[in-house]
Amino acid sequence: GAGVSQSPSNKVTEKGKDVELRCDPISGHTALYWYRQSLGQGLEFLIYFQGNSAPDKSGLPSDRFSAERTGGSVSTLTIQRTQQEDSAVYLCASSLGPNSDTQYFGPGTRLTVL
Amino acid sequence: AQTVTQSQPEMSVQEAETVTLSCTYDTSENNYYLFWYKQPPSRQMILVIRQEAYKQQNATENRFSVNFQKAAKSFSLKISDSQLGDTAMYFCAIPTSVNYGGSQGNLIFGKGTKLSVKP
Repeated sequence: GAGVSQSPSNKVTEKGKDVELRCDPISGHTALYWYRQSLGQGLEFLIYFQGNSAPDKSGLPSDRFSAERTGGSVSTLTIQRTQQEDSAVYLCASSLGPNSDTQYFGPGTRLTVL
Repeated sequence: AQTVTQSQPEMSVQEAETVTLSCTYDTSENNYYLFWYKQPPSRQMILVIRQEAYKQQNATENRFSVNFQKAAKSFSLKISDSQLGDTAMYFCAIPTSVNYGGSQGNLIFGKGTKLSVKP
């Protein structure tokens, strides 16, 4: 079946602009995660959605970052007033949900803030 | 708080040889999973292998196997008969908590080991 998809693949924006990154999880997966990977670094957790529960936003680095998940499926990560330090690859992952374990990743969105 | 440490930033191996990537971690959980992910230049994170902590037997997947030492909190990855396509970043990861909201919560990743397989 189809894997996790993300769009756009690459995004170049100017400092101060808002951007939206989209994630389409694997059908039937109730858990969805956003991570950020800065150049040459490991993955940093941003936010986690599980079913209809309130999301875990503990990893969001500032209030310029927000995310929503509509209808328990597609998720959008929004970064307002982008800064150069926001440049990174943003990865989305999903997992089946209750008592599951393995997270499946999308190809990521490379964000470049000029 | 959970931590994951990969002490080898870079490694290289000759094609067809065997290489072992190390990973140590710290967690207060008793039952959990551990993961190795591979990230080739395409940047797609691909699951290589997973280990369930309550299982004594080390996991194997074709040429990939782990050496899991629960007491020592060590989880190394062995790649046998290395192939050029194994060239990638390798990340070790553990979940933040067990049965958090119905799944295992977000993953904590090490900083990765860059593996180069040379012809």
